[in-house]
Amino acid sequence: AQTVTQSQPEMSVQEAETVTLSCTYDTSESDYYLFWYKQPPSRQMILVIRQEAYKQQNATENRFSVNFQKAAKSFSLKISDSQLGDAAMYFCAYRRGGATNKLIFGTGTLLAVQP
Amino acid sequence: DSGVTQTPKHLITATGQRVTLRCSPRSGDLSVYWYQQSLDQGLQFLIQYYNGEERAKGNILERFSAQQFPDLHSELNLSSLELGDSALYFCASSVGNVGGFGQFFGPGTRLTVL
Repeated sequence: AQTVTQSQPEMSVQEAETVTLSCTYDTSESDYYLFWYKQPPSRQMILVIRQEAYKQQNATENRFSVNFQKAAKSFSLKISDSQLGDAAMYFCAYRRGGATNKLIFGTGTLLAVQP
Repeated sequence: DSGVTQTPKHLITATGQRVTLRCSPRSGDLSVYWYQQSLDQGLQFLIQYYNGEERAKGNILERFSAQQFPDLHSELNLSSLELGDSALYFCASSVGNVGGFGQFFGPGTRLTVL
């Protein structure tokens, strides 16, 4: 069974600084997708960024980028120029390819942004 | 705003009761997913529907059932409620059934069982 591990329950960053959230996953599949979701205090789940396993290029969305290391099964999220609005719980998620579309989530990392 | 709507936002009920949670997917999305978020279990996949048909099942209890209607909205029915069913229930939708489509989540329904 596939698993997703986020080993950092909590992280803190100063405003305008850069922070990296870690995620590792375990799978024997070759076709899969990885996602980062943000859950602010409102509890809304917001898709931040996604990565296809077959793509070597790391995904980037404005201040958010990933470091995808397929061989190491690592998928970290880098937030540059951190803003107060980035404070939230961040979940890493895995979905295997094909028609089974369920997301498997990690336990989350709570990010605090200090002014 | 993801475009996915869920009603009601909050639901407080008693043990043994039955409730129905409703979800409308984003316009054009054919897939609907239900997830449960609780403190002890984290985010867990319950069930997926695609264009009216059940496509995948997760750790959904037998007391729970769901369906997707011809207009693509979905309902999650929870019966014989127990205290442990208290959780945040999310609906998500995506345009397709295969491929790397992101799933877009609704605001959730917070269920409290007393």
